[in-house]
Amino acid sequence: DTAVSQTPKYLVTQMGNDKSIKCEQNLGHDTMYWYKQDSKKFLKIMFSYNNKELIINETVPNRFSPKSPDKAHLNLHINSLELGDSAVYFCASSQEARGNEKLFFGSGTQLSVL
Amino acid sequence: GENVEQHPSTLSVQEGDSAVIKCTYSDSASNYFPWYKQELGKGPQLIIDIRSNVGEKKDQRIAVTLNKTAKHFSLHITETQPEDSAVYFCAASIRAAGNKLTFGGGTRVLVKP
Repeated sequence: DTAVSQTPKYLVTQMGNDKSIKCEQNLGHDTMYWYKQDSKKFLKIMFSYNNKELIINETVPNRFSPKSPDKAHLNLHINSLELGDSAVYFCASSQEARGNEKLFFGSGTQLSVL
Repeated sequence: GENVEQHPSTLSVQEGDSAVIKCTYSDSASNYFPWYKQELGKGPQLIIDIRSNVGEKKDQRIAVTLNKTAKHFSLHITETQPEDSAVYFCAASIRAAGNKLTFGGGTRVLVKP
């Protein structure tokens, strides 16, 4: 069983389109994250949700809107896609309530905006 | 905010040799320092971590050292094997501020057989 799964794995789209990436974790964790990895492999946090509540919201354009329908899911919706949005997006989860900072990452969604 | 710098950006070693990756951080309040390994096409995976109340931690062939005064921490891999080839990331966070990890820029390690 995949612990943190995200779909799709690849996403190729045109500038200006709206797209969503879905993430699900079956670890029973209470906290989920979205990270962006650029072409130089630099990893930067975008959002963090704890029990469906937004905890971390970095300086991300408001075209990016996370949604957490429940503790096990954190989706990322992106409006009006731009060339600079091309990157690999990673979902991750952790169990904050037990003071465990270990992050479990999904395998990533490679977004290419043409 | 926190800034983490990582060196070198690439590292090529002969199988069996040791590899060392160094990181520095800027925020003296940071108290948690994990290391992640990312293989091609996969997400990062935690390999070892250290908290600020410990100076050194070892797990089989990997070890991490922390110098709080100098705000340095390092990853040491001994007896490297081809499967150690990957991108390694250091990170730092302030536990009390939630789990906001700031990552270093990554080190691409290549172990030559």
